[in-house]
Amino acid sequence: KAGVTQTPRYLIKTRGQQVTLSCSPISGHRSVSWYQQTPGQGLQFLFEYFSETQRNKGNFPGRFSGRQFSNSRSEMNVSTLELGDSALYLCASSPLAGNQETQYFGPGTRLLVL
Amino acid sequence: QQQVKQSPQSLIVQKGGISIINCAYENTAFDYFPWYQQFPGKGPALLIAIRPDVSEKKEGRFTISFNKSAKQFSLHIMDSQPGDSATYFCAASRPGYQKVTFGTGTKLQVIP
Repeated sequence: KAGVTQTPRYLIKTRGQQVTLSCSPISGHRSVSWYQQTPGQGLQFLFEYFSETQRNKGNFPGRFSGRQFSNSRSEMNVSTLELGDSALYLCASSPLAGNQETQYFGPGTRLLVL
Repeated sequence: QQQVKQSPQSLIVQKGGISIINCAYENTAFDYFPWYQQFPGKGPALLIAIRPDVSEKKEGRFTISFNKSAKQFSLHIMDSQPGDSATYFCAASRPGYQKVTFGTGTKLQVIP
């Protein structure tokens, strides 16, 4: 079974631009969560989607948004990029909503904002 | 109340030694306490997890000790090996929530 896939793996953007990251969950998984990982703040929860609906949201500004498609693939978008948005963005999938025990992480997308 | 505090930030252990990482939490609503292992360039991978109804869980060389009254839990890696060199995160989550609250991470280096 293929794991969680994230594209692109690396991305360089400049301040003010916007970016869209993609996550393909493990086949059969319907829940997708997004996390931001930085050296200073560690791993922080962004949001969770299940069956195309956002179930939970972390404490991030409205510039961070996401969506989930009917095939469970998810995208997250960051608008008006800031230098502090440079981070590793991780996606995790799970078969069920609210099921912490079967959450699998992808390799992440490393975003650098210049 | 959502924080999980982790220590130490970094740890160097001789091969064959015991690695110990400690975590503390405040939110008594947490009911699931996983440990994740992350290698450079990879996402975190679930290593071992425990629920508050048990005080210890062992899987191979990895053991979680859990003290509910003190709101603390720890990871012990017995017979540490160079291949265990990675960053370890403790975490906690509430029932019915996919969101996992992570500790700040411990970078473990096992030297031959």
